[in-house]
Amino acid sequence: DADVTQTPRNRITKTGKRIMLECSQTKGHDRMYWYRQDPGLGLRLIYYSFDVKDINKGEISDGYSVSRQAQAKFSLSLESAIPNQTALYFCATSDAGNQPQHFGDGTRLSIL
Amino acid sequence: GQNIDQPTEMTATEGAIVQINCTYQTSGFNGLFWYQQHAGEAPTFLSYNVLDGLEEKGRFSSFLSRSKGYSYLLLKELQMKDSASYLCAVTEAGSYQLTFGKGTKLSVIP
Repeated sequence: DADVTQTPRNRITKTGKRIMLECSQTKGHDRMYWYRQDPGLGLRLIYYSFDVKDINKGEISDGYSVSRQAQAKFSLSLESAIPNQTALYFCATSDAGNQPQHFGDGTRLSIL
Repeated sequence: GQNIDQPTEMTATEGAIVQINCTYQTSGFNGLFWYQQHAGEAPTFLSYNVLDGLEEKGRFSSFLSRSKGYSYLLLKELQMKDSASYLCAVTEAGSYQLTFGKGTKLSVIP
């Protein structure tokens, strides 16, 4: 079983719809992150959380919200999806300190 | 803020050595990571440098010069499976957020 699991793996939806992407981990890490990846732009941080009650905005948080329901779960929501949110989304986790991040397999999201 | 530069694409021959460079400007430096990402897959951790010098891990080595804001990833004895994107990422002092470069797509040819 994967240590960092993202659901769904693929999603196609329409403009204006509310979307939730889920991430769960079995690594026991406190820190969780959401990134999006676009061709030519690399990975960009959307939100991150260092603990259950801790939520922080990343570089590109506008249009997104997150919820850290438990240490193992971190979900990303698009309240009203728009086409330029079409991207590959990754969840990642890490231990405290300057430790490497471990990524889920990604969610490919297409908004028509 | 941080600015990270790496070449967009590189091509190298199977069995050869390739060096992928990364330069960065940051207001406070707390470490540099290299990740490998095969097309359509998740990034996977390769190496971490926080002090100047060379870190070696099998066929892969990573070098850091903090005074020059410069790192490179060295891949030896290239194999076809090394065809992937290589991502340089920097953490800023006090935040532990990772800022990624746009990645270098390496193609290994026979």
